[in-house]
Amino acid sequence: EAGVTQFPSHSVIEKGQTVTLRCDPISGHDNLYWYRRVMGKEIKFLLHFVKESKQDESGMPNNRFLAERTGGTYSTLKVQPAELEDSGVYFCASSQLQGRIAEAFFGQGTRLTVV
Amino acid sequence: GDSVTQMEGPVTLSEEAFLTINCTYTATGYPSLFWYVQYPGEGLQLLLKATKADDKGSNKGFEATYRKETTSFHLEKGSVQVSDSAVYFCALIRIQGAQKLVFGQGTRLTINP
Repeated sequence: EAGVTQFPSHSVIEKGQTVTLRCDPISGHDNLYWYRRVMGKEIKFLLHFVKESKQDESGMPNNRFLAERTGGTYSTLKVQPAELEDSGVYFCASSQLQGRIAEAFFGQGTRLTVV
Repeated sequence: GDSVTQMEGPVTLSEEAFLTINCTYTATGYPSLFWYVQYPGEGLQLLLKATKADDKGSNKGFEATYRKETTSFHLEKGSVQVSDSAVYFCALIRIQGAQKLVFGQGTRLTINP
């Protein structure tokens, strides 16, 4: 069974550019989460999808971040325009049962570097 | 708000050494506690968990005991191996309310042969 897959594994962009991160969850998992780890600090929650709906987006830092999950399958996280402080590792996770984040499977993360 | 504090890294040990990575938490009520591990080039993996006070989680030779009185969940292993080199994250989930993982800042562990 394929795990949670994230693309790209690493992205280097200039300040002001746009970047789109993608997450392919495990097939059949309705719940999809985005987290990020900035500058070696703690991993922080960004948002939670249930199928194509945003269940909780309280962790999204500002309106430069846009997450979508069309059709309830893969998800994208777009940063536009990127700022230096957006550099970090972005993790995606998926789980089958709602409210069971502890049983979620995480991807390997996308390392974003904004220069 | 809820928070998790881990010991600062990086931690470097020799093979077969004893490992302790400290973790303390602040939370309302009695959260569930977790240790996650990220090996090089891989995703976060759940290493072990404990859901109530005095529970001991264990996996792959690692152990952690949920200590309510000291609000701690320290990770220990009696004899580390080179393959244990990774980043370790302590985390919690509140029992009530939104199911969000709250992570510590991570501790990078390097084991030298």
